[in-house]
Amino acid sequence: DAMVIQNPRYQVTQFGKPVTLSCSQTLNHNVMYWYQQKSSQAPKLLFHYYDKDFNNEADTPDNFQSRRPNTSFCFLDIRSPGLGDAAMYLCATNFGTVSNQPQHFGDGTRLSIL
Amino acid sequence: DAKTTQPNSMESNEEEPVHLPCNHSTISGTDYIHWYRQLPSQGPEYVIHGLTSNVNNRMASLAIAEDRKSSTLILHRATLRDAAVYYCILRETTSGTYKYIFGTGTRLKVLA
Repeated sequence: DAMVIQNPRYQVTQFGKPVTLSCSQTLNHNVMYWYQQKSSQAPKLLFHYYDKDFNNEADTPDNFQSRRPNTSFCFLDIRSPGLGDAAMYLCATNFGTVSNQPQHFGDGTRLSIL
Repeated sequence: DAKTTQPNSMESNEEEPVHLPCNHSTISGTDYIHWYRQLPSQGPEYVIHGLTSNVNNRMASLAIAEDRKSSTLILHRATLRDAAVYYCILRETTSGTYKYIFGTGTRLKVLA
């Protein structure tokens, strides 16, 4: 059974039209991460939540925001998508304070911009 | 952030061992070395991790250099299902939790 679920798998939006991607987890992990992965590139960390504490990477554009209303759900909001934001967006989770636990990834949402 | 460097691609014959190298010369003393792999249209999948000692699990082995500036992921008998992009990742401690810095990845091609 999928433990980190991303919906939808494919999302199409228009240039400049706000879009929200969702991630849910059944693992009760206290850390949730969002990555952006462009074609033929490695995943790039955008930000993560440790419980309710938000940690933004220094080079994440202001256009990208996130919300975590509860332990199970985390959202990625792109306020005004540009063509350069077309990518796969990956959500991952883990226990923040247990050193031997790996990250668990969802299968991603592929975002296209028209 | 510490960085890792990996060869862009490697090839192996089926049923033969594969050694995937990774350099991480700026690793700090508390950074764990993680390896993940990613199949097409899927999220990355955990393979193995270690800190200082060599590690073995059912999927692979991880050999870590004594100075920790490099490591090698070893697949003992490559199968066609092992064809994927393999990422060497440093897990850094930050703000009481961890963040994972991906390397560029090695695309492994397995030949039948």
